[in-house]
Amino acid sequence: GAVVSQHPSWVICKSGTSVKIECRSLDFQATTMFWYRQFPKQSLMLMATSNEGSKATYEQGVEKDKFLINHASLTLSTLTVTSAHPEDSSFYICSAPQPSGRSDTQYFGPGTRLTVL
Amino acid sequence: AQKITQTQPGMFVQEKEAVTLDCTYDTSDPSYGLFWYKQPSSGEMIFLIYQGSYDQQNATEGRYSLNFQKARKSANLVISASQLGDSAMYFCAMREGLFFQVSGAGSYQLTFGKGTKLSVIP
Repeated sequence: GAVVSQHPSWVICKSGTSVKIECRSLDFQATTMFWYRQFPKQSLMLMATSNEGSKATYEQGVEKDKFLINHASLTLSTLTVTSAHPEDSSFYICSAPQPSGRSDTQYFGPGTRLTVL
Repeated sequence: AQKITQTQPGMFVQEKEAVTLDCTYDTSDPSYGLFWYKQPSSGEMIFLIYQGSYDQQNATEGRYSLNFQKARKSANLVISASQLGDSAMYFCAMREGLFFQVSGAGSYQLTFGKGTKLSVIP
């Protein structure tokens, strides 16, 4: 299947700092990428849809000024958690759809575990 | 209302036995896709199998098969000959519409169920 990379795989930061997470599609182009958040023992919650060449679409309840998304190219989307606080600690995972014949299949990055002290 | 329902929070299966993980869905869109993903303790989401709403046959991928019953709106995952490495969380997901890459189409995202934790016993 397709490969989606994510960097860093884990990060620990102090409260008030900003953290940037990169998501790359390695062997295909993705005009759309998705960012999810997952709390322990829970399912994935879609945060936003990243669109190359246009603004991201945020889900209801997600602060766009806190979670900045930039889809810089057809293979790269970044999520910046601004002024992080302990409640932002979570597992963040991105995904990108790749056309697969009759339909698209969505492939996920390995995730980034963020801990805010 | 929940669009994807996984009623089994946890399941146990003996090694080499088959196991069925349940998933029901709710949609009024005639075009949709159903997905199963595996999430081991490392956290990565591994794509297992896909079934389109217009597919006539049940999808199969190696030891994974999808028991698609359209009228009942169920898409159960069957894992044959379970292995210890199959122990993980399993998520059922649905996308309304057949394609992701339609600009501005928020309805083309994946909606996930709450997951089932599968434990394979030696």
